[in-house]
Amino acid sequence: SQELEQSPQSLIVQEGKNLTINCTSSKTLYGLYWYKQKYGEGLIFLMMLQKGGEEKSHEKITAKLDEKKQQSSLHITASQPSHAGIYLCGAVLKTSYDKVIFGPGTSLSVIP
Amino acid sequence: DVKVTQSSRYLVKRTGEKVFLECVQDMDHENMFWYRQDPGLGLRLIYFSYDVKMKEKGDIPEGYSVSREKKERFSLILESASTNQTSMYLCASSRLDSVYYEQYFGPGTRLTVT
Repeated sequence: SQELEQSPQSLIVQEGKNLTINCTSSKTLYGLYWYKQKYGEGLIFLMMLQKGGEEKSHEKITAKLDEKKQQSSLHITASQPSHAGIYLCGAVLKTSYDKVIFGPGTSLSVIP
Repeated sequence: DVKVTQSSRYLVKRTGEKVFLECVQDMDHENMFWYRQDPGLGLRLIYFSYDVKMKEKGDIPEGYSVSREKKERFSLILESASTNQTSMYLCASSRLDSVYYEQYFGPGTRLTVT
């Protein structure tokens, strides 16, 4: 099993709807990244969370880190077609300081 | 703007060929990384380098080697390409003291080995 799990695996929402993507770690998190990837392209950094309870926002995207639950959630408000893509979480784990590991990704489609 | 470029967006090679994937970054970053991305598996680290001529194995180094002769350039080499190396390859760079800082990714190279 993977060290980082994401749910759901894929998501199709109507434009204007809110949605949440979760990232759960099997080990204690030291820091967590969220990236967005447009299909067939590289990853774009969205935000990084380090402390439990920390919450950050970028335009209509908000991410929160629950350190106790070893989980982060990414919430998109009033989704738009431009939000479509693959969202990946990456984590710095306490057991390995020299690399970031990534979840399998959540594919988001937004229907106009 | 940080820029990470990769030599090819798409590449088709035959089994047994030697394949070179090149990555160049323009932000004077010390760290550079090679990942492969496969459906359902996410990104897996192949090799990384934190300095010129330095390299460290990632999670899946078998079948690959790397070269870092200049700070800005990190090459991934498939000595004898096999069909199970068909994948999307992503290069990234980051600052040295920066497992806590974001990695900047290139656009990716989609390699098909036939």
